[in-house]
Amino acid sequence: QKEVEQDPGPLSVPEGAIVSLNCTYSNSAFQYFMWYRQYSRKGPELLMYTYSSGNKEDGRFTAQVDKSSKYISLFIRDSQPSDSATYLCAMSAYPGSARQLTFGSGTQLTVLP
Amino acid sequence: EAGVAQSPRYKIIEKRQSVAFWCNPISGHATLYWYQQILGQGPKLLIQFQNNGVVDDSQLPKDRFSAERLKGVDSTLKIQPAKLEDSAVYLCASSSTPTYQGAIHTYEQYFGPGTRLTVT
Repeated sequence: QKEVEQDPGPLSVPEGAIVSLNCTYSNSAFQYFMWYRQYSRKGPELLMYTYSSGNKEDGRFTAQVDKSSKYISLFIRDSQPSDSATYLCAMSAYPGSARQLTFGSGTQLTVLP
Repeated sequence: EAGVAQSPRYKIIEKRQSVAFWCNPISGHATLYWYQQILGQGPKLLIQFQNNGVVDDSQLPKDRFSAERLKGVDSTLKIQPAKLEDSAVYLCASSSTPTYQGAIHTYEQYFGPGTRLTVT
C-alpha cells in the first residue's frame, strides 16, 4: 500500500464547476499538507499549505485536512480553463515543506470552456 | 526574479550510456533538491543540498547516480550507466530561508521545468 493515495483521474468538468480533489494517507505522523499544481511540461508550483487539521482558504481554493480520517481535499470554486493541470498532494511529518515530502501521484484536471 | 533553470530540457540516450543534468537555482537560495518524476507518479526526492553539503541522499541510487553542488550554487546530477527504468523527468528545486505561516515555518520549494530523459 502506498503511503499517499490519489485518484489519477482524468477529471473533466465544465467551466464554473466546483472541483473536489482528494488524497488519503496511511502515515499518522504526517502533519504538514500541501497541494501543488503542475502544468504540462512544467515543474510543480505550491498552491496551498496547511498544518494539522482544519480548513484554509485562498481565493477560489480551499484546502481541508481531516487527520482523524487521514483524508485531505482541495476544492476549486468557479473553475476556469486556466486551472487545467495536474494537482499533486504532498505531505510531511517534519516542519516546513523542505524535508522528506511524500507526493501523491497526481490528478489530471481539465476544465472545459 | 529569475526562476530555477535546468538544461537540457530533453535527452534521449541508450541504456548503459551516461548523462548529466544541470541546475541553476534561484539566486540566494541555499537549499537545492533533485527529484525524479516517473510518468504518472509524484516527484521522489533523490538528493537535497544545503549550500554545498548533502543533507539527504537516502533515496539516491548511489551505484549509478551522483550529484554535486560545487561552490553552493549550480548543481549537476549524473547517471552512469543509465537503465531503462531511469526514464523520467528530473526536477530541480530550490528554497531559501523559511518564512512564517502562522505558528509554523514553511520552506517553499520553487521547481524548474525539468529535464525529460528517455532511455532506449
